[in-house]
Amino acid sequence: DAKTTQPPSMDCAEGRAANLPCNHSTISGNEYVYWYRQIHSQGPQYIIHGLKNNETNEMASLIITEDRKSSTLILPHATLRDTAVYYCIVRVAQNRDDKIIFGKGTRLHILP
Amino acid sequence: DAGVTQSPTHLIKTRGQHVTLRCSPISGHKSVSWYQQVLGQGPQFIFQYYEKEERGRGNFPDRFSARQFPNYSSELNVNALLLGDSALYLCASSLDGRPYQPQHFGDGTRLSIL
Repeated sequence: DAKTTQPPSMDCAEGRAANLPCNHSTISGNEYVYWYRQIHSQGPQYIIHGLKNNETNEMASLIITEDRKSSTLILPHATLRDTAVYYCIVRVAQNRDDKIIFGKGTRLHILP
Repeated sequence: DAGVTQSPTHLIKTRGQHVTLRCSPISGHKSVSWYQQVLGQGPQFIFQYYEKEERGRGNFPDRFSARQFPNYSSELNVNALLLGDSALYLCASSLDGRPYQPQHFGDGTRLSIL
């Protein structure tokens, strides 16, 4: 089972910041938080990842709480092209493999 | 730079047939993973390969097999196809399959079983 909990859907007005929450209360100290998104009929697209510190790249910002039990993905100025399913993932490295366990994600609708 | 490429993009097969799906990773990436995504669900892990060796296997029957070649490309084979194998099959590559490195996905092969 996925180790994260996300709201099933969210709406955001175009041009506003989209804040997508994720709970991962059982995260271990060496596990990373990753965000991917999947636009209809495409493969998942990597957005950002972090371990403890907040991270920012050209696509988004990732805010991780100090206790690491939750995080928020921020899309600073949402556009219609940001409509997608967003997956929050805790990367589990057991033994030698590095499988990604996807949950149901959050379906984000950007409203014009 | 080219991303992960998969072929074919679409495929139609009948029950009982077998299928081979192909994946070319991003240049320099040595790890390839395969995922199955049925309609309405998130992708499910099938296999991971690194340096031609299987590193991990998900909860899939033995009808599913894969291999990785010296150039790091990979094939996923599915035998005795069932209707339930209809799905989007995704390939992802990463530098060496460690959790601090992102996996980058291709756009998948959509397999339909009639």
